[in-house]
Amino acid sequence: ELKVEQNPLFLSMQEGKNYTIYCNYSTTSDRLYWYRQDPGKSLESLFVLLSNGAVKQEGRLMASLDTKARLSTLHITAAVHDLSATYFCAADSYNDMRFGAGTRLTVKP
Amino acid sequence: NAGVTQTPKFQVLKTGQSMTLQCAQDMNHNSMYWYRQDPGMGLRLIYYSASEGTTDKGEVPNGYNVSRLNKREFSLRLESAAPSQTSVYFCASSVTWTDNEQFFGPGTRLTVL
Repeated sequence: ELKVEQNPLFLSMQEGKNYTIYCNYSTTSDRLYWYRQDPGKSLESLFVLLSNGAVKQEGRLMASLDTKARLSTLHITAAVHDLSATYFCAADSYNDMRFGAGTRLTVKP
Repeated sequence: NAGVTQTPKFQVLKTGQSMTLQCAQDMNHNSMYWYRQDPGMGLRLIYYSASEGTTDKGEVPNGYNVSRLNKREFSLRLESAAPSQTSVYFCASSVTWTDNEQFFGPGTRLTVL
């Protein structure tokens, strides 16, 4: 059974600092996804990672995938308040889609 | 282009009542999904429809039924609601099951008393 674990679950950052959110999954996965959710809102797709070594960047966020280590990372560069949200990773293996519990990120001035 | 829409936005039920959550997408996607979101647990897949005319169980299907009415619409039915089904329900769609970047609806907040 596919399991997805994120850490940390809660992250409080100062503006301007860098940090990384980690996403581990338990079995071979075809694809890895990152989503953002603002409080009381729906989920917004950020990145889709399809192969080992894939790296994607959008603004201050960069996601990478290491399929051998079964690990994806979401790196935040020079955080700003607008990045405050909950970030979810999800892995997809043989038609079994599983989400991590989410990382609640708060960026403080 | 509305994307994925869900109705209702909020619902309160008494234990044992039934209801249907509606979902529609206008992106011509083949695959549709129903999730529930509970605090601290991320999203859990209830049922999915890889293509029109097919439905399959996800991680937590007990107590639910689904209907893929046509390519656009995918409904979720609670036949006899229980307090454990209090949750936020999200519908999502993707181009195909193998191209699984999912686009989510706004959610339905359901409370079962």
